[in-house]
Amino acid sequence: DVKVTQSSRYLVKRTGEKVFLECVQDMDHENMFWYRQDPGLGLRLIYFSYDVKMKEKGDIPEGYSVSREKKERFSLILESASTNQTSMYLCASSFPSSRTGAEAFFGQGTRLTVV
Amino acid sequence: RKEVEQDPGPFNVPEGATVAFNCTYSNSASQSFFWYRQDCRKEPKLLMSVYSSGNEDGRFTAQLNRASQYISLLIRDSKLSDSATYLCVVPPYSSASKIIFGSGTRLSIRP
Repeated sequence: DVKVTQSSRYLVKRTGEKVFLECVQDMDHENMFWYRQDPGLGLRLIYFSYDVKMKEKGDIPEGYSVSREKKERFSLILESASTNQTSMYLCASSFPSSRTGAEAFFGQGTRLTVV
Repeated sequence: RKEVEQDPGPFNVPEGATVAFNCTYSNSASQSFFWYRQDCRKEPKLLMSVYSSGNEDGRFTAQLNRASQYISLLIRDSKLSDSATYLCVVPPYSSASKIIFGSGTRLSIRP
């Protein structure tokens, strides 16, 4: 069974704090993704990575950065948390989409509240 | 045009009914397609994959219409437990990496 594990299920942080969200997958997937999900807005892609040390901006990268030092781990960093970053954060991993069976597998999500 | 578009619903149907919803996509080169199911406050989980004209799994049928660039999901004999949000995924063939999700269709089955 594919496992994508996010470090925290619930997190409460103060405005201005630097926040790290960690994601680890055990399927040797090349691709990893960070999304945020808000009511009425669906899943929005923040950043993705298709290889170690490689990253690409998604649709809403402002206020976020990422790190992929090892293939299995993809970290999302909120440089200075703000209240509008209160959201559900979902990590996913997959094989490249050019390969059959490239569906994405999700972690359980981190519900972040910034106060 | 958005890369992936879905009717947000909500679809509210009685138990036992048949319900169908569509998802349109803009990239005609896309080869593989997925339907995901997401329960309230949970992560999305893969429901079905579609690689050719369609796929059937029990009460669920996914169909692909390449000419009109849409995929559909049909649920027969709906159960209360089918209540969820259904997300459409069409990976862009031109990129090896990016997966974009539709915004989801909410389905509510009433007794």
